Amino acid sequence: GESVGLHLPTLSVQEGDNSIINCAYSNSASDYFIWYKQESGKGPQFIIDIRSNMDKRQGQRVTVLLNKTVKHLSLQIAATQPGDSAVYFCAENMNRDDKIIFGKGTRLHILP
Amino acid sequence: DAGVTQSPTHLIKTRGQQVTLRCSPKSGHDTVSWYQQALGQGPQFIFQYYEEEERQRGNFPDRFSGHQFPNYSSELNVNALLLGDSALYLCASSSGSWETQYFGPGTRLLVL
Repeated sequence: GESVGLHLPTLSVQEGDNSIINCAYSNSASDYFIWYKQESGKGPQFIIDIRSNMDKRQGQRVTVLLNKTVKHLSLQIAATQPGDSAVYFCAENMNRDDKIIFGKGTRLHILP
Repeated sequence: DAGVTQSPTHLIKTRGQQVTLRCSPKSGHDTVSWYQQALGQGPQFIFQYYEEEERQRGNFPDRFSGHQFPNYSSELNVNALLLGDSALYLCASSSGSWETQYFGPGTRLLVL
């Protein structure tokens, strides 16, 4: 069954504000945790991943935080833009080319 | 450099029929994975092909089968289609465990 889940199905954020999307996982043996963005009618787009031996990783406007103690993963998007509207999935795998286990997704809605 | 491509983009079939979906991996990638994404859900792993053999398989019945060709492209075959097979079928490619997987746009299958 699924080992990755999300706390909120929908998140509404004012344009320009920061967005925080949370995720809980249950498989402590996973080595990689990944965030994907999926826009309507498209395949999942890789945003950022983090290895289990790290607790923070930053990309362009995005930061992923990993708390292994409570098995929690979060994605922070700085200065949210209309183009950030999408469904965001957290996911995990044992190796980067291993099967990916996805959660159910959070829809991010940007308010003007 | 083309990313992962899939064909067809949309397909309509009736119950009991058979369907073949196709995937061309990103240039330089040798591993292809297939996922099924039901509406409103996260993608579910079907199987993975490497060196023309099925390397991993998810919890899908034998009606789902695949093939990988010497040029690394892949096909997903589904026999005896059921209404519940209606979904977006995604292909992802990768090359080794040091690189993330990239997804194609998917094939949307509707079974009537």
